[in-house]
Amino acid sequence: DAGITQSPRYKITETGRQVTLMCHQTWSHSYMFWYRQDLGHGLRLIYYSAAADITDKGEVPDGYVVSRSKTENFPLTLESATRSQTSVYFCASSENREVAAPPDTQYFGPGTRLTVL
Amino acid sequence: RKEVEQDPGPFNVPEGATVAFNCTYSNSASQSFFWYRQDCRKEPKLLMSVYSSGNEDGRFTAQLNRASQYISLLIRDSKLSDSATYLCVVRRDDKIIFGKGTRLHILP
Repeated sequence: DAGITQSPRYKITETGRQVTLMCHQTWSHSYMFWYRQDLGHGLRLIYYSAAADITDKGEVPDGYVVSRSKTENFPLTLESATRSQTSVYFCASSENREVAAPPDTQYFGPGTRLTVL
Repeated sequence: RKEVEQDPGPFNVPEGATVAFNCTYSNSASQSFFWYRQDCRKEPKLLMSVYSSGNEDGRFTAQLNRASQYISLLIRDSKLSDSATYLCVVRRDDKIIFGKGTRLHILP
């Protein structure tokens, strides 16, 4: 009963480095999401994916890249990390009650705390 | 104006009391509504969906008012373990929008 997992749980990196955060879910949920959470801003959507090979921008996509070659994985890459990307990153997945239906209840991973020095 | 707005609180409430908070949404095309709970340094978890007719789950009651575009959450007989941040969530088509949350502290 693994559910949705994220790795690493904690990461410290330096400005300019590339960082990839991993997200894996075992439910075969169609939708997956990446959020960042910062004090004063709440949860902000970075990217989401409705299915394998389909991704779309959220509210704050700049500086991030995603891919979804397999339904169960949704990695998030910071191409050149900046201090402003220090945050807690949550991955989530959502089941569909019907094919092509909009996302329903979201299930969140435990989060990755990223610090960019 | 933010699409989903909540009073950030904190609400400091004695144990056993009843507490309620609202969330307003600006887009009348919003289709689904949820309350999530988030404990400190943890991930958000679904507390309950909000249905048009209102719904109850134990001590928790959720209401939707489409005319005034708000949802509410009522917690009766509050417990210390209810201390958390409560996030209002609204879905409109493929978009899922989170409020910033309302912090609730239950005082012994």
